[in-house]
Amino acid sequence: AQSVSQHNHHVILSEAASLELGCNYSYGGTVNLFWYVQYPGQHLQLLLKYFSGDPLVKGIKGFEAEFIKSKFSFNLRKPSVQWSDTAEYFCAVIFSSNTGKLIFGQGTTLQVKP
Amino acid sequence: GAVVSQHPSWVICKSGTSVKIECRSLDFQATTMFWYRQFPKQSLMLMATSNEGSKATYEQGVEKDKFLINHASLTLSTLTVTSAHPEDSSFYICSARGPGSTHTEAFFGQGTRLTVV
Repeated sequence: AQSVSQHNHHVILSEAASLELGCNYSYGGTVNLFWYVQYPGQHLQLLLKYFSGDPLVKGIKGFEAEFIKSKFSFNLRKPSVQWSDTAEYFCAVIFSSNTGKLIFGQGTTLQVKP
Repeated sequence: GAVVSQHPSWVICKSGTSVKIECRSLDFQATTMFWYRQFPKQSLMLMATSNEGSKATYEQGVEKDKFLINHASLTLSTLTVTSAHPEDSSFYICSARGPGSTHTEAFFGQGTRLTVV
C-alpha cells in the first residue's frame, strides 16, 4: 500500500538549533513530494515541493528538503530554527498511479523554545 | 498563491441533524477538490475526491451516504454530514486543484471544526 511515514512525532528545539524532520514513502515509482506547515490556528501552507530536477529543493522561510530516491526519503531541514517556526509539519506525496490525491504523513509537532 | 475558503470555520450541531460545509476557490477554477478529515494530534485522512460535474470518489471506509459531496461548479464543493453523531466531531479540511496536470499544487481551506452534541 502507498503510505507516507514521518518518524519524529514531537520535536523540541532551542532557537538557533538545526532541524531535520524525516519523511519516507513506500512507493517505488515516480512521485511528487511536498512539505506543508500548519501554524497554530491557521490552515495548511505549502513550504516546498519537488517534482523533478535538482533533488535539493529550497522553500520559503529558509527551509529546504532533499529527495533521495534510493532511500525513498524527502527530509526537511533548516539550519537555524526560530520561535516562529513552532508549528505542525506534514510531509505529503502524490503517487503517480493514482488520481493526483495527496497522501499525508502523520505529522510532526515542532516546538521551538526561545 | 491561490485562495480557498471554507465556511463555516466552526459549527456545533445536535446529534441527528445534518451539517453542510462549503469550500470555495476564490480566484481560480477548481477542477478537482479533495475533502480531508483530521482528528486531534493526527494527520489528514483523505475522505473523497471530487471532480466538477462528476460523482465523488470515496476512500475505503468512508460512508458515501453519510458524507455527501457535491461539486456542482468550478468554484464550489460542499460536504454534507448527514445524521451527525458525536463520533463525527472532527476537523474537516478541503483542498482544491486547478486544471492541468494532476500533480500540481493543491491549495487548502482553513478547515471547519465540527462538534456534534
